[in-house]
Amino acid sequence: DTEVTQTPKHLVMGMTNKKSLKCEQHMGHRAMYWYKQKAKKPPELMFVYSYEKLSINESVPSRFSPECPNSSLLNLHLHALQPEDSALYLCASSQVSGSEAFFGQGTRLTVV
Amino acid sequence: AQSVTQLDSHVSVSEGTPVLLRCNYSSSYSPSLFWYVQHPNKGLQLLLKYTSAATLVKGINGFEAEFKKSETSFHLTKPSAHMSDAAEYFCVVSNQAGTALIFGKGTTLSVSS
Repeated sequence: DTEVTQTPKHLVMGMTNKKSLKCEQHMGHRAMYWYKQKAKKPPELMFVYSYEKLSINESVPSRFSPECPNSSLLNLHLHALQPEDSALYLCASSQVSGSEAFFGQGTRLTVV
Repeated sequence: AQSVTQLDSHVSVSEGTPVLLRCNYSSSYSPSLFWYVQHPNKGLQLLLKYTSAATLVKGINGFEAEFKKSETSFHLTKPSAHMSDAAEYFCVVSNQAGTALIFGKGTTLSVSS
């Protein structure tokens, strides 16, 4: 199994809502990532978890809250988002941090 | 700081002709370099990687790239373009700590019949 599975595929939320994005991998990888991608732009790193510990937070606003419940799961909790947070959110995993990463299909988030 | 520069934002080729997508890197150490492809509204797929073994790296779908330290380049090539190659291509470098991947701005490849 070489897949990274993200749910949901699409999400529309209001600025006062709380929602969560989920990511799962069963490749035994010990590093997991969240990236944000705006239209026609490259992915931008948000968070890195290594061995279930947060190792990188790229100055992301606190309305984004990551969580790594175990080595296979990664969540991104969303609260009080702004319309400019609308983007494709990509999860990835790699055997160890900084090695080749496998990406999920992403969650297309729209904040209204 | 480590970075990659993709020299062309858009490349157009005809089907059956060669593809060249250019990438230069800036790094004070020997980096790990990757090429990823992203088809419209899809996730990212790894095409190939360089991790200080052979300098000529072969990837999937007929793509290959050559690591040239003297030129700090890692250009992606394919001998014959196919319509299905039309996509966004990203040159990617590992950061200095080796803890994350940093993306170039991307090159859009268009293939005409």
